[in-house]
Amino acid sequence: KQEVTQIPAALSVPEGENLVLNCSFTDSAIYNLQWFRQDPGKGLTSLLLIQSSQREQTSGRLNASLDKSSGRSTLYIAASQPGDSATYLCAVPDSNYQLIWGAGTKLIIKP
Amino acid sequence: DTEVTQTPKHLVMGMTNKKSLKCEQHMGHRAMYWYKQKAKKPPELMFVYSYEKLSINESVPSRFSPECPNSSLLNLHLHALQPEDSALYLCASSLGTGFYEQYFGPGTRLTVT
Repeated sequence: KQEVTQIPAALSVPEGENLVLNCSFTDSAIYNLQWFRQDPGKGLTSLLLIQSSQREQTSGRLNASLDKSSGRSTLYIAASQPGDSATYLCAVPDSNYQLIWGAGTKLIIKP
Repeated sequence: DTEVTQTPKHLVMGMTNKKSLKCEQHMGHRAMYWYKQKAKKPPELMFVYSYEKLSINESVPSRFSPECPNSSLLNLHLHALQPEDSALYLCASSLGTGFYEQYFGPGTRLTVT
């Protein structure tokens, strides 16, 4: 059964730093992996979807990488800003197409 | 347009009330989802509609009743809810029920008193 883990649960960094969020999954036979952002009390915003055949996907200051063999994905945020403060979740679909979620990393960017 | 809209934003209801949540998308997506999210937890899947037919019901109590009137609309009818049903209810859509990117709405914050 697929399990998705995100470590750390919370991260606080000064503004301007580059940072990496981690997502691990136990079954490497994934089709894709999706990264989301969620502001407190709000819905989820899809940030990046990376297909299993891809190694990287980029959108602006965000770069997601995928290493299926090691069961890991990272979300790299360059030149962090206070507006990046949010909870970041990763999810992979199971064989029934249902998303299996990590518990999220709460990111705080200090001005 | 990658927008999923949900109304209302907030809802407070008593345990004997009947209310409905509404979700709409105009992206031509044929799969729509209801999720429930408790504080500091990831979303939990409740229902999936594919081509306006219910394809997945994750053993949700019958006090939650989904409806898909057409390919753009998804409703969640609520009746005789319990205080523990208080949560953020999220709607999502995707091109189909395959391995497609899911787009989420802003959610409805439901409080049951």
